[in-house]
Amino acid sequence: SQQGEEDPQALSIQEGENATMNCSYKTSINNLQWYRQNSGRGLVHLILIRSNEREKHSGRLRVTLDTSKKSSSLLITASRAADTASYFCASERGSTLGRLYFGRGTQLTVWP
Amino acid sequence: DVKVTQSSRYLVKRTGEKVFLECVQDMDHENMFWYRQDPGLGLRLIYFSYDVKMKEKGDIPEGYSVSREKKERFSLILESASTNQTSMYLCASRPTSGSGGATDTQYFGPGTRLTVL
Repeated sequence: SQQGEEDPQALSIQEGENATMNCSYKTSINNLQWYRQNSGRGLVHLILIRSNEREKHSGRLRVTLDTSKKSSSLLITASRAADTASYFCASERGSTLGRLYFGRGTQLTVWP
Repeated sequence: DVKVTQSSRYLVKRTGEKVFLECVQDMDHENMFWYRQDPGLGLRLIYFSYDVKMKEKGDIPEGYSVSREKKERFSLILESASTNQTSMYLCASRPTSGSGGATDTQYFGPGTRLTVL
């Protein structure tokens, strides 16, 4: 069963604009992770936020986590055409031997 | 860098054939995973393994089996391929940690796009 749901399903912006993607999940988690997938390729890990953290930064990425609302957001600032990809959130629950529950993803298109 | 390799990028098989998809990781990770990815459905977990010869069913194990005879290799087997198994298959690995740090991330292979005719 899918744990997370991303919103929006697709996002189209111009270079230089910020892109915000949201993710909701259903049960309590250990951590929430964001991955990126270029077309037809494997997923690459971007950032992980633990359940006791509220915000995390990595370069142009900013992730927030609201455990009371069971939601997370990924902000990409000053987007570039090279950011065009699908973005997935994935949650890890306790005692699940490392398995992740993925959402359906957001397709981000950044126009030059 | 962690490297996860999959035996084929593209594969075409006929209905009823037995299909083997191989995944190898070079970082001594305990946990390995097989997903399939279909448009609009995201990644769905088929099977995973947390140790040699150990396996756990994921969300969609029907029609699949797995084998983990060595720590670095995790094989996905389609016993009798069907057209509804046409999909992108992704393998991933992860060390056992649980500390919530960077080692809790999964490392993915490039994927195998399987077409069953």
